Amino acid sequence: GNSVTQMEGPVTLSEEAFLTINCTYTATGYPSLFWYVQYPGEGLQLLLKATKADDKGSNKGFEATYRKETTSFHLEKGSVQVSDSAVYFCALSDSDYKLSFGAGTTVTVRA
Amino acid sequence: ETGVTQSPTHLIKTRGQQVTLRCSSQSGHNTVSWYQQALGQGPQFIFQYYREEENGRGNFPPRFSGLQFPNYSSELNVNALELDDSALYLCASGTQETQYFGPGTRLLVL
Repeated sequence: GNSVTQMEGPVTLSEEAFLTINCTYTATGYPSLFWYVQYPGEGLQLLLKATKADDKGSNKGFEATYRKETTSFHLEKGSVQVSDSAVYFCALSDSDYKLSFGAGTTVTVRA
Repeated sequence: ETGVTQSPTHLIKTRGQQVTLRCSSQSGHNTVSWYQQALGQGPQFIFQYYREEENGRGNFPPRFSGLQFPNYSSELNVNALELDDSALYLCASGTQETQYFGPGTRLLVL
């Protein structure tokens, strides 16, 4: 079956630091890959997505590249802000269009 | 702003009761899915509806049921509530390729 494994947190960074959250997946087909973000007390927001190998998704300074050879979709941001403090979820969607999520990584950015 | 709304925002029920959660999505969103997110965990897929028909179900018992209506609204019904049903319930709608989430309904079962 499909599954997603992402880096355990929590992750604590200083403002302007570089952020990487690792995500690897297992899927039987050719999934689409997503990063969702959940701010405190809110629902999930789609951050970025990639639908095929070597695609790069980007949004709000965040980037992730779909790597089929390593079955990975690591999230990166070059300079984080306090407002980036949230829980980040890696997810995949296969031909059945249901989302399978990782456990989430809590990121705290300190001023 | 995803255009997906859910009601109520919070709900308290007792074990054995039944609950109905509601979701309203944008025109053109022909797929709606429901997810359960327990505290500190990632969301778990409950089921999906596509054009008012169930289109896949996760590992949840039959006491979890749903409906999708022609006006792009949907319901999640849970019968015989158990303590472990306490969670954030998320509705997601969109196309089959990309889903947008509502803010969720937080259910507490006592």
